[in-house]
Amino acid sequence: GAVVSQHPSWVICKSGTSVKIECRSLDFQATTMFWYRQFPKQSLMLMATSNEGSKATYEQGVEKDKFLINHASLTLSTLTVTSAHPEDSSFYICSAQEGSGRPYEQYFGPGTRLTVT
Amino acid sequence: AQSVTQLDSHVSVSEGTPVLLRCNYSSSYSPSLFWYVQHPNKGLQLLLKYTSAATLVKGINGFEAEFKKSETSFHLTKPSAHMSDAAEYFCVVSVSGGFKTIFGAGTRLFVKA
Repeated sequence: GAVVSQHPSWVICKSGTSVKIECRSLDFQATTMFWYRQFPKQSLMLMATSNEGSKATYEQGVEKDKFLINHASLTLSTLTVTSAHPEDSSFYICSAQEGSGRPYEQYFGPGTRLTVT
Repeated sequence: AQSVTQLDSHVSVSEGTPVLLRCNYSSSYSPSLFWYVQHPNKGLQLLLKYTSAATLVKGINGFEAEFKKSETSFHLTKPSAHMSDAAEYFCVVSVSGGFKTIFGAGTRLFVKA
């Protein structure tokens, strides 16, 4: 149980284009989803937190107009990297959290490798 | 304020020897603590979690961790390392019902044959 998927697992795009990454909770309803970014050999950096049906909360320094997050349902959140540039190349990982129980454990997706050429 | 410090960026052990990955935390509230493992180009897998119950927590693949409040530590151990344990390990502190999650910088574990 508690499986989170991401699609695509890797993507290559040209500079200036936009890329959408999907994060799905397959067997539970995720009241909250998180998006992280991970640079090579570094830890995860939280980009934003999204709750179903409301606007995402972005961490300081993360451009909300560049990284568009939509959490339209309890099982799906999307991250769209708009007008991507090479410096946006990174490993993006989402996680999902059920709304019940304590502590609210996060279940992580397998990640999406984005390369912008 | 909350923070988590993984004291070693790299740890190297021989196969069959014990593993110790160190983690110290700082939290104004009662934290939840987690250890995750990440293999290259993969997502994170939960090894174990501390939920304010037993201070000695057993996880998957023979790993365990002990919550020591007096030392603000949550070190990860395994009696005997296996080659497949080579990976990146993250210590994570979570407060406010999980809405504030902080990752340590990670410890790369190398296992020599």
